[in-house]
Amino acid sequence: GAVVSQHPSRVICKSGTSVKIECRSLDFQATTMFWYRQFPKKSLMLMATSNEGSKATYEQGVEKDKFLINHASLTLSTLTVTSAHPEDSSFYICSARGDSGSYRREQYFGPGTRLTVT
Amino acid sequence: AQSVTQLDSQVPVFEEAPVELRCNYSSSVSVYLFWYVQYPNQGLQLLLKYLSGSTLVKGINGFEAEFNKSQTSFHLRKPSVHISDTAEYFCAVVTVNTGGFKTIFGAGTRLFVKA
Repeated sequence: GAVVSQHPSRVICKSGTSVKIECRSLDFQATTMFWYRQFPKKSLMLMATSNEGSKATYEQGVEKDKFLINHASLTLSTLTVTSAHPEDSSFYICSARGDSGSYRREQYFGPGTRLTVT
Repeated sequence: AQSVTQLDSQVPVFEEAPVELRCNYSSSVSVYLFWYVQYPNQGLQLLLKYLSGSTLVKGINGFEAEFNKSQTSFHLRKPSVHISDTAEYFCAVVTVNTGGFKTIFGAGTRLFVKA
């Protein structure tokens, strides 16, 4: 199956700093990427959807100035948490989808990034 | 609007016993159906999927699921569970139409396998 990687897998940062998380599709072209946030023992909450070369579409209640998403190429999307605070601590998961064949009908998930803001 | 309901938040079961994790959905358009497993501090791993064809779908780790269109269900089953099956399981519904690609996840079911 298709492979999606995330980097870093874990990050600890101080309150007020910014953190960038990378999501890469390794063996297909990801025309659409999704960013999710998962709270402990909860389901995935979609934060935003990004199409390559376009601005991301944010879900209601998600601050676009705080969670900056860039999808500059067909294999890379980044999520930057700006001026992070302890309440931003969470598990962030990206997924990617292509535009042909089976890549069009399902999402391929990255392994997730554990962000801890101290 | 589409929705996904996982009827059980937790399912405790003894090792080697059978298990069924229930998933019901509602949608006004055609859907694709998925089950994912998540181990602690890891991302989602695809267990199985229904896109079309046979309504009985077999996946990894001995799991299978059956798409029942009349009951709008996609229950996950395994005839004999192992301790290593302890994890969170998510049912997901995908619609692809002129409005775009949309995935809705269920709330998850925690499977806890006891020795």
